[in-house]
Amino acid sequence: ILNVEQSPQSLHVQEGDSTNFTCSFPSSNFYALHWYRWETAKSPEALFVMTLNGDEKKKGRISATLNTKEGYSYLYIKGSQPEDSATYLCASLRSNDYKLSFGAGTTVTVRA
Amino acid sequence: DGGITQSPKYLFRKEGQNVTLSCEQNLNHDAMYWYRQDPGQGLRLIYYSQIVNDFQKGDIAEGYSVSREKKESFPLTVTSAQKNPTAFYLCASGTGTSQPQHFGDGTRLSIL
Repeated sequence: ILNVEQSPQSLHVQEGDSTNFTCSFPSSNFYALHWYRWETAKSPEALFVMTLNGDEKKKGRISATLNTKEGYSYLYIKGSQPEDSATYLCASLRSNDYKLSFGAGTTVTVRA
Repeated sequence: DGGITQSPKYLFRKEGQNVTLSCEQNLNHDAMYWYRQDPGQGLRLIYYSQIVNDFQKGDIAEGYSVSREKKESFPLTVTSAQKNPTAFYLCASGTGTSQPQHFGDGTRLSIL
């Protein structure tokens, strides 16, 4: 993996259902993985910064896991609500330049 | 309230014209960043500054210039050399590599 890739590009989920999506990143020179939530007409908001292999973080109904050896992170939303509708961005920070490289995002639409 | 203020929200540029996008933060953050977003792509780093009076080129610096004369301010100038300036521009600030970045609301630049 040379760039940060997110899949799927978009997804629709019924209110109350759970969902998850993937961020793939270069495993070489890994330093940190950021997750942001970007709601329409607002600024991106930080969810998690993860650095350790195997790390899991949780914020309310949203959680994330990290595998630095194989270069992927999952974001989970449990019991989706309409307010979870947003684009979720991940970004990888590499130790060789300490610059964030962003994926194109996964846009989640929660249907009532 | 502490935060990042970008202005204007919308900006139009004529051919051959330089335009400047403003970014101000009152979070007392040392580092500031400029990103560009194009449809279907992740945020791409234009310039960043780790400290006052110092800045570095990001991945797509050609056709742009910045200054960092004050800790609070990091204006971005889109010069006439930038042949495809139409995009959404986000400014961010941060305190360190393991900390999340804080974003402004963005400026949308279009060509007249």
